Amino acid sequence: QITLKESGPTLVKPTQTLTLTCTFSGFSLSTSGVGVGWIRQPPGKALEWLALIYWNDDKRYSPSLKSRLTITKDTSKNQVVLTMTNMDPVDTATYYCAHLVGGYDPFDYWGQGTLVTVSS
Amino acid sequence: QSVLTQPPSVSGAPGQRVTISCTGSSSNIGAGYDVHWYQQLPGTAPKLLIYGNSNRPSGVPDRFSGSKSGTSASLAITGLQAEDEADYYCQSYDSSLSGHWVFGGGTKLTVL
Repeated sequence: QITLKESGPTLVKPTQTLTLTCTFSGFSLSTSGVGVGWIRQPPGKALEWLALIYWNDDKRYSPSLKSRLTITKDTSKNQVVLTMTNMDPVDTATYYCAHLVGGYDPFDYWGQGTLVTVSS
Repeated sequence: QSVLTQPPSVSGAPGQRVTISCTGSSSNIGAGYDVHWYQQLPGTAPKLLIYGNSNRPSGVPDRFSGSKSGTSASLAITGLQAEDEADYYCQSYDSSLSGHWVFGGGTKLTVL
């Protein structure tokens, strides 16, 4: 059974760096093809893909946010970490991590999401 | 502004059929990348509803179906039920700008 869970601060100040951790079980990020992605959703708005890391450490980023994002993995801990620099109130959103079987497959399992508010 | 365009809202009475469109371009749906659909009930995480344009994961009722043609895709829901009231999102891959995953703007389905 695949599960994912996001963790991190619920409140960050403008200009600070956000660090979110996705802890998962039921699969290994050393399995060929597998990926873990991050998707966010501002309150009342649409889903927005942020970043994805594959089993082989191939990393992909949203073109509009690439300069602010870093995604890493710790296979031994079954964790994926996303950092986002220079946070702004418009970055207030629920952040989800999700499992991807491979390639351009869908995100078939999602975490419950964690709401991050950016405010001074 | 989402890369994939969906109608903001659709509605239907119980038992009726509704469709939700998802319009892309030559760098995503039109390039041959698959379209996937997600259902998001209020206050919950998105759930995969349709994958690979027209395939249902185990446990998804056959009232839900998907199709793709050209640069567009559609989600159809037949025999509408009150529990279908949710937000629906399409998703694909876009080959522009070094490649990235893209979502539609979402469609709110109201069961009258």
